[in-house]
Amino acid sequence: QLQLRESGPGLVKPSETLSLTCTVSGGSINSNNYYWGWIRQPPGKGLDWIGSLSYGGSAYYNPSLKSRVTISLDTSKNQFSLKLDSVTAADTAVYYCARANTIHLWSYWGQGTLVTVSS
Amino acid sequence: EIVLTQSPGTLSLSPGERATLSCRASQSISTSNLAWYQQKPGQAPRLLIYGASTRATGIPDRFSGSGSGTDFTLTISRLEPADFAVYYCQHYGSSPPGTFGQGTKLEIK
Repeated sequence: QLQLRESGPGLVKPSETLSLTCTVSGGSINSNNYYWGWIRQPPGKGLDWIGSLSYGGSAYYNPSLKSRVTISLDTSKNQFSLKLDSVTAADTAVYYCARANTIHLWSYWGQGTLVTVSS
Repeated sequence: EIVLTQSPGTLSLSPGERATLSCRASQSISTSNLAWYQQKPGQAPRLLIYGASTRATGIPDRFSGSGSGTDFTLTISRLEPADFAVYYCQHYGSSPPGTFGQGTKLEIK
């Protein structure tokens, strides 16, 4: 059974970089059949897609975040990561990692991790 | 970019009743790349329906999806206590971002 688990700091200072890692178990990220991505959810609000990346290198980013986001794969560790630069309080959210069988169709999710941006 | 608008914002029903949730797209989703997710408090979303009407693995048949073009519906035929949650529709596929609707909260009346 595929499992995904987010990890990283729960508190980030304004203007700094948010860095999260998603560890995948029960399956390999070395497959061009899937997309690996990040979705976030501000407290009490809806879902906001951040970006997606395939093993083959196809990348998609939310235009509203594109200038600040990098998603990358580490096949040696079966992990993928998110970096979000120059964060503000508006970036406070639960961050989910997920796998899509078809681009953006999220069939497997991590449990989510809350990241708070505050000094 | 396709914008998805869900209605109603909140739906209050009793167990055993039928729920009908709507999702309207700002432009036609020509290949029916429309999905529905369920999210319970403190949990990640769960994929319910894709291709507008195909249930994901393990989803009970009281959940059904329908629609095409710009108008889509999620129907829950007989509500059970576990079904009270927030439901999101989503457009997926190779073109721009996998937009989510703003959600419909299904609450116990």
